[in-house]
Amino acid sequence: EVKLVESGGGLVQPGRSLKLSCAASGFSFNDYWMGWVRQAPGKGLEWIGEINQDSSTINYTPSLKDKFTISRDNAQNTLYLQMSKLGSEDTAIYYCAREELYFDYWGQGVMVTVSS
Amino acid sequence: DIQMTQSPASLSASLEEIVTITCQASQNIGNWLAWYQQKPGKSPQLLIYGTTSLADGVPSRFSGSRSGTQYSLKISRLQVEDIGIYYCQQASSTPWTFGGGTKLELK
Repeated sequence: EVKLVESGGGLVQPGRSLKLSCAASGFSFNDYWMGWVRQAPGKGLEWIGEINQDSSTINYTPSLKDKFTISRDNAQNTLYLQMSKLGSEDTAIYYCAREELYFDYWGQGVMVTVSS
Repeated sequence: DIQMTQSPASLSASLEEIVTITCQASQNIGNWLAWYQQKPGKSPQLLIYGTTSLADGVPSRFSGSRSGTQYSLKISRLQVEDIGIYYCQQASSTPWTFGGGTKLELK
């Protein structure tokens, strides 16, 4: 069974950084692109970015490229999202997803709240 | 960026009714389109990919179609478990973009 479990969310002050993790199991992690998608409270889905199997290609949505960094550790079957200079607009549920152009498996999501 | 304009934003329908949701792409995306269903408090789930292909385990009452740059999701006979928010997503070019969502409720 494919399973994606995000962690590392919580309350963070504006301007600070936070790193999310996504533990993958039930499939060959190093065979797939992986991505991050977020959803602000009561809003729609926003693609953050993606990383290919060997981390040689990483793509971001332009507005987040300077704030967020995606990485992965294939030995640990884990995907990461490093977020910096956080603002209230970054308050959202963050999902990791297995990606093959489309997002065929999603984690349960982790809430990040940016507030003083 | 490719804009995906979804309509309607909300929809109220009766059980067994036929429901259609549309998504208009701002430019040609071929058949690189997916539909997702998000039930309250849950993660989105892939319903349809490649415009018309059903994801694993998706009931056959769901179908997808295309006319030019307009894409449609059809539910042939609405069931209680179909209630939720539906999103389209283009996979033609990055940044991947989603439609604004359609909230489907029971009448």
